[in-house]
Amino acid sequence: DAGITQSPRHKVTETGTPVTLRCHQTENHRYMYWYRQDPGHGLRLIHYSYGVKDTDKGEVSDGYSVSRSKTEDFLLTLESATSSQTSVYFCAIRGAGRQAFFGQGTRLTVV
Amino acid sequence: ELKVEQNPLFLSMQEGKNYTIYCNYSTTSDRLYWYRQDPGKSLESLFVLLSNGAVKQEGRLMASLDTKARLSTLHITAAVHDLSATYFCAVEFGNEKLTFGTGTRLTIIP
Repeated sequence: DAGITQSPRHKVTETGTPVTLRCHQTENHRYMYWYRQDPGHGLRLIHYSYGVKDTDKGEVSDGYSVSRSKTEDFLLTLESATSSQTSVYFCAIRGAGRQAFFGQGTRLTVV
Repeated sequence: ELKVEQNPLFLSMQEGKNYTIYCNYSTTSDRLYWYRQDPGKSLESLFVLLSNGAVKQEGRLMASLDTKARLSTLHITAAVHDLSATYFCAVEFGNEKLTFGTGTRLTIIP
């Protein structure tokens, strides 16, 4: 167990509503990541964080924002959910130069 | 543009056979990772390859890295059903970001 927890695990929401996904770690790792996984695309990086209040965009960041006010928590927010954001979202944690450990994933459906 | 390409995307093979999954990437990197994912599950780390010529083996799986060719291989020896899963390679490109390949869905047929 890499000490990483995602919540919620499943969510159904309506188009246009805000949604926040939470990633919590107990390992005190510096780096945290949010990916989305869609068939045919593998995992694509949305945003990542390299420390408290230090974040940067990934390749598919449009429509998403993140915050990291504490080392242990990394939040992903969909400001106004769209159907194209229906996906499985994975959080990952990583020490510098080390392998990444992934959470169990959040299955988000936007109807 | 950073690209990580895996092939094949789908692989169906018989038990007992050998096969190789390939991971090509577009920009210089000397850190590559292999992951396994079972249906509906999270990703499990398999191998970490940190230098040119690195080779790692675990059971029937062996991974290698050629940074000059920008190529990693995941070799399966004498496949068994339990190895059925989707396998991903991921390459680190500066700033500690990992870029993933699209995955290879492996099905082992008895």
